[in-house]
Amino acid sequence: EAGVAQSPRYKIIEKRQSVAFWCNPISGHATLYWYQQILGQGPKLLIQFQNNGVVDDSQLPKDRFSAERLKGVDSTLKIQPAKLEDSAVYLCASSLQGGETQYFGPGTRLLVL
Amino acid sequence: SQQGEEDPQALSIQEGENATMNCSYKTSINNLQWYRQNSGRGLVHLILIRSNEREKHSGRLRVTLDTSKKSSSLLITASRAADTASYFCATSGPGYSTLTFGKGTMLLVSP
Repeated sequence: EAGVAQSPRYKIIEKRQSVAFWCNPISGHATLYWYQQILGQGPKLLIQFQNNGVVDDSQLPKDRFSAERLKGVDSTLKIQPAKLEDSAVYLCASSLQGGETQYFGPGTRLLVL
Repeated sequence: SQQGEEDPQALSIQEGENATMNCSYKTSINNLQWYRQNSGRGLVHLILIRSNEREKHSGRLRVTLDTSKKSSSLLITASRAADTASYFCATSGPGYSTLTFGKGTMLLVSP
């Protein structure tokens, strides 16, 4: 079974630039999550999708972050414009349903200069 | 906000010793999960224990859950250098809601 795929693996941008991350979940997984993990901390949920609907985006900074999950499969997370404090690892995960075992991708390490 | 709080923040042991990590949480849960993260990589699911379970085993892992104390512990027996990683507990509330992760315990197992 293929795992969760993410790209790119690394990204370096200047502040105020925009960046996008892509995630392909495990086939058949209805629930998809985006997390932000700052060095030394646990993952913080940014947004949770159930199929292509949003379940929870309460911690998503909506003035600069946006996410979509077209056709209930792949998802993209965008930051525009980026700030220095957005430097973190962005993790995508999927599960059969919310609250159950999550399978994580390798993450995208973002550095904002 | 992060509900789970792991203790200790860091743990250093020798190969062959047992490692115990604790997790405390604040609100009622549907299940509690433990994940491992090797440096620079994604998280790997280790074990899930439901609120009506008290103990669960998987290989060298033993997890306990005490819902009256709102706490859980993860025991790794006969640790190996390859167990060196950060370990996170995550709680899921009623209704199959989102997972909330703690800050993690960094485990270092020396040969």
